[in-house]
Amino acid sequence: DTEVTQTPKHLVMGMTNKKSLKCEQHMGHRAMYWYKQKAKKPPELMFVYSYEKLSINESVPSRFSPECPNSSLLNLHLHALQPEDSALYLCASSQSSGLGYYEQYFGPGTRLTVT
Amino acid sequence: AQTVTQSQPEMSVQEAETVTLSCTYDTSENNYYLFWYKQPPSRQMILVIRQEAYKQQNATENRFSVNFQKAAKSFSLKISDSQLGDTAMYFCAFIGGGSQGNLIFGKGTKLSVKP
Repeated sequence: DTEVTQTPKHLVMGMTNKKSLKCEQHMGHRAMYWYKQKAKKPPELMFVYSYEKLSINESVPSRFSPECPNSSLLNLHLHALQPEDSALYLCASSQSSGLGYYEQYFGPGTRLTVT
Repeated sequence: AQTVTQSQPEMSVQEAETVTLSCTYDTSENNYYLFWYKQPPSRQMILVIRQEAYKQQNATENRFSVNFQKAAKSFSLKISDSQLGDTAMYFCAFIGGGSQGNLIFGKGTKLSVKP
């Protein structure tokens, strides 16, 4: 059973919509991550939050806006997405992002379809 | 730049047999971590096993073991007594000691366990 939860499981949105993906972890971890995964491909890192501060932004378009309200929650706000943004969005967490704490635990993902 | 290579896009094995998945990586760092993740068709990414580069002893988790050859930069996964539930995409992943959480994945190996 996962201790990283993601909602919703599925999301269909139009290109003009605004929606949010939510992620929550209950392990006391201090680092949280957003990944994008296309079919039959490995996950691609989008953002890293460490101690609730954004530490890595992998040149993600501004139509994706992350937010970390507290150490247990991570949101991804979506606006004006393109059809090519359709993918599985994975959230992960780890004890920290520092040396020795790299073991990342993944949530089940949100399957996003942009129409 | 670090890279991770999985040279076997697909593999199959008979139930109860042993299979080995290959992974090589490239890095100039001396301190790093390696992982094998499993992603079944239900899509949840699960950590299978982890190896710290400074440890000479190969990691083992029940039926899963690794052959870590640091000089050769090789990190293969052996699955013994394969079970139908082992059917999944397997990703090899690397993270460097100077990283802030940037997990680098290989392209994955799709393993099918046949009855």
